[in-house]
Amino acid sequence: EAQVTQNPRYLITVTGKKLTVTCSQNMNHEYMSWYRQDPGLGLRQIYYSMNVEVTDKGDVPEGYKVSRKEKRNFPLILESPSPNQTSLYFCASSYRRQGSGANVLTFGAGSRLTVL
Amino acid sequence: SQKIEQNSEALNIQEGKTATLTCNYTNYSPAYLQWYRQDPGRGPVFLLLIRENEKEKRKERLKVTFDTTLKQSLFHITASQPADSATYLCALPWGFQKLVFGTGTRLLVSP
Repeated sequence: EAQVTQNPRYLITVTGKKLTVTCSQNMNHEYMSWYRQDPGLGLRQIYYSMNVEVTDKGDVPEGYKVSRKEKRNFPLILESPSPNQTSLYFCASSYRRQGSGANVLTFGAGSRLTVL
Repeated sequence: SQKIEQNSEALNIQEGKTATLTCNYTNYSPAYLQWYRQDPGRGPVFLLLIRENEKEKRKERLKVTFDTTLKQSLFHITASQPADSATYLCALPWGFQKLVFGTGTRLLVSP
């Protein structure tokens, strides 16, 4: 089954304790991205990757790191989590449709992170 | 900067009626527009894409219109069912391969 898999799905941690949220896709998509979703603010892009070893900042990259060493994996790293990073996180991958060139996203199930 | 507006208030309708959701945008000339469905605690799921040269797109009970003059898309669900209850997000491209999302409108279909 074509899917994007994120882990963990739920995590409660404390301020300053480094954590990694993993993301893996099995669709051979070149493009992957991370979003966070907060009430009233919607989905905001954190980082994205156009391909292996190519990453760039999204709209809200502060406090986050990413890496893309393999095409299928795109982990999100919080080096020193703070309470304002409490949020629902989504990983997504995509392909560009032929013709329109549109970027259609497949999302993971989400990772709910609480930083105390 | 680009701005996407969706009605933040929930839309309550009765089963069997047509639901119409609105997506307005400013400072933007998108080549296409997408609609996604999101259930509570789940990731958004792609529903439909409409290109700037298309006025209307249909998929089963779903219909999307795209008016580039008004800078507006309408998303219709005909013969709505309680299972259609969810949050619906519109999304537009920005730059190369980036999608910007509206905050979504929650639809509640009562039996």
